[in-house]
Amino acid sequence: QMELQESGPGLVKPSETLSLTCTVSGGSISSANYYWGWIRQPPGKGLELIGTIFYTGSTFYNPSLKSRVTISVDTSKNQFSLKLTSLTAADTAVYYCARDTKGYADYTYFDSWGQGTLVTV
Amino acid sequence: SYELTQPPSVSVSSGQTARITCSGDALPKKYAYWYQQRSGQAPVLVIYEDSKRPSGIPERFSGSSSGTVATLTISGAQVEDEADYYCYSIDSSGDHRVFGSGTKVTVL
Repeated sequence: QMELQESGPGLVKPSETLSLTCTVSGGSISSANYYWGWIRQPPGKGLELIGTIFYTGSTFYNPSLKSRVTISVDTSKNQFSLKLTSLTAADTAVYYCARDTKGYADYTYFDSWGQGTLVTV
Repeated sequence: SYELTQPPSVSVSSGQTARITCSGDALPKKYAYWYQQRSGQAPVLVIYEDSKRPSGIPERFSGSSSGTVATLTISGAQVEDEADYYCYSIDSSGDHRVFGSGTKVTVL
């Protein structure tokens, strides 16, 4: 049973850069069956996909955040990371990391999530 | 951008059937996925590829899709099913992967 755990600062100042890391345990981040993603949820609001990464480094970013987002992977540590620049109060949210599993054809879906970490800007 | 539209709330009496809809222009050609999020917890996948149920998800959860509307059905709703439910899908171009606006299910 794979588990995911987010880590990083809970408070970041406006205009600064948020850096979060997700550590994967119970399985390899280098599996060809999975991508790895970041999703966020502002307090009292809905879910928003930030982006995903494959162990090879191939990425997908939400077009609305693409200019500010970088997702990277460290296979030696079984971790992937998120950097979000130029923060504003609108970036205050619970940030989740999740496993993005390959399904039928090119479809993928998030089937295992971390507990989430609240980031306040 | 692409949008998936859900009703803000659905109420159901315990033991009755709740239906949650998700409308999107690309749904005739793209799968829908459903997530349950209880208060203060991370989302849990309850339906994938329109109608498949992951292991460990009770049989009372089912999914279907017809035209531009996907539907999550909870047959015989239980108190523990009170939660927010989100649909998830992708637009025709593949450029936008989005969650629906969410539906709060109340079990009376």
